[in-house]
Parts: sequence; structure tokens; C-alpha cells
Amino acid sequence: AQSVAQPEDQVNVAEGNPLTVKCTYSVSGNPYLFWYVQYPNRGLQFLLKYITGDNLVKGSYGFEAEFNKSQTSFHLKKPSALVSDSALYFCAVSGVMNRDDKIIFGKGTRLHILP
Amino acid sequence: EAQVTQNPRYLITVTGKKLTVTCSQNMNHEYMSWYRQDPGLGLRQIYYSMNVEVTDKGDVPEGYKVSRKEKRNFPLILESPSPNQTSLYFCASSFPPISGQIYEQYFGPGTRLTVT
Repeated sequence: AQSVAQPEDQVNVAEGNPLTVKCTYSVSGNPYLFWYVQYPNRGLQFLLKYITGDNLVKGSYGFEAEFNKSQTSFHLKKPSALVSDSALYFCAVSGVMNRDDKIIFGKGTRLHILP
Repeated sequence: EAQVTQNPRYLITVTGKKLTVTCSQNMNHEYMSWYRQDPGLGLRQIYYSMNVEVTDKGDVPEGYKVSRKEKRNFPLILESPSPNQTSLYFCASSFPPISGQIYEQYFGPGTRLTVT
């Protein structure tokens, strides 16, 4: 069965510092990995995804994520954090591609950027 | 503007009183899904639909019904709501997965439901 874990409930980072939000996964076959962001009182917004190819994926708002197959991880990163990056971040995974595969979301990591 | 809309945004109701949360998308997406979001549990899928008249259970379908009579609409029905269905609900849509590709989902703004 596929699963995804976000080991940190909350991450605090000072503005201007690099940030990392961690995600690990377990799937049978090749993983399809996503990051979404949720701002207060809003729905989730897509940030980036990994399907295949380059292990470093670039997405919206200056975010990027690194796929590491040996460590089964897909950590979200940004070189310099902004206060406006404060939000709830979700990692999601889907496994072997067939029409019945579901997308599993992690429990979310709340990111606080301190001014 | 491409969007997923949900109504109502907020709802307080009593145990046992049937309710429907509507969801509509204007992006011609075949795939639609309902999730509930609870603190510490993240998003859990309730039901999903790969196309018109095709629906299937997600991880937490008990107590919910859905229908997909039109491509753009995917209402969530609670026939007899109970307090444990108090939650934040999201509808989402996307193009369906095809060989070698899976598409990101577009989410509605959410419906906060309280059942007393």
C-alpha cells in the first residue's frame, strides 16, 4: 500500500534563510509526487510535481523539490524564505499508473517564517 | 477564470438532517474528488469520479454519497449527518491520469461543516 509521511508538524524559519519541508513516501513501482500549499481560508494550490526525469523539480513561488529514489524522499526547498511563505504544505504521492490509483496526501507541515 | 466552486462555504446543521454540498468546475475535467481535512489527519479522500456516471469509494466513504450526472458537477450528500462528520470539506478536479502522466488537482475553497 502506498503511503506518504511528513515527519514535522511545524517548521520555523527566519526570513531570508533557506527552508526545507520534508516528505518521504512508500509506493510500489514508480512514484508520482506532488507538493501543494494551503493558505488560510483557501483551498490547496499546486506547487510542483515529479513524474520522471530530472531529480530537481522547480515550481511556483521560487520553490523546488528534490527527488531522492534511494532515500524515498521528496523534500521541498526554497533558498530564501519570505514571510508570505507561511502556510500549510502538503506532500502527495500516487503509485503505479492505472486509472484506479489514488493520490495519498500527507498530514501537512505548517511553515512559519519569522520576520 | 478556471475554478472549482463549492456551496455553501459554511454550514451548521443538526444530527440527522440531510444536506448536500455542491461542487462545480469549469475546466472540462473528467476527474473529480471529495476530501475531508481534519487536524492531525491531513486530507482523506471520501469519493472520487473518473467521469460521468462513474464513481468510486475513497478511504473514508462511510456516511457519504455522491453522484456524477454531469461532467461539471459532483455533489456530496450526507443523508443523516452525525457530529463525527464535522470537518472541512474540499472538492477537487483534474484531467484523468493517462499512461505516463498524472495531472495536478484544482481545489475548491472548502466548506466548513459543523454538525451538532
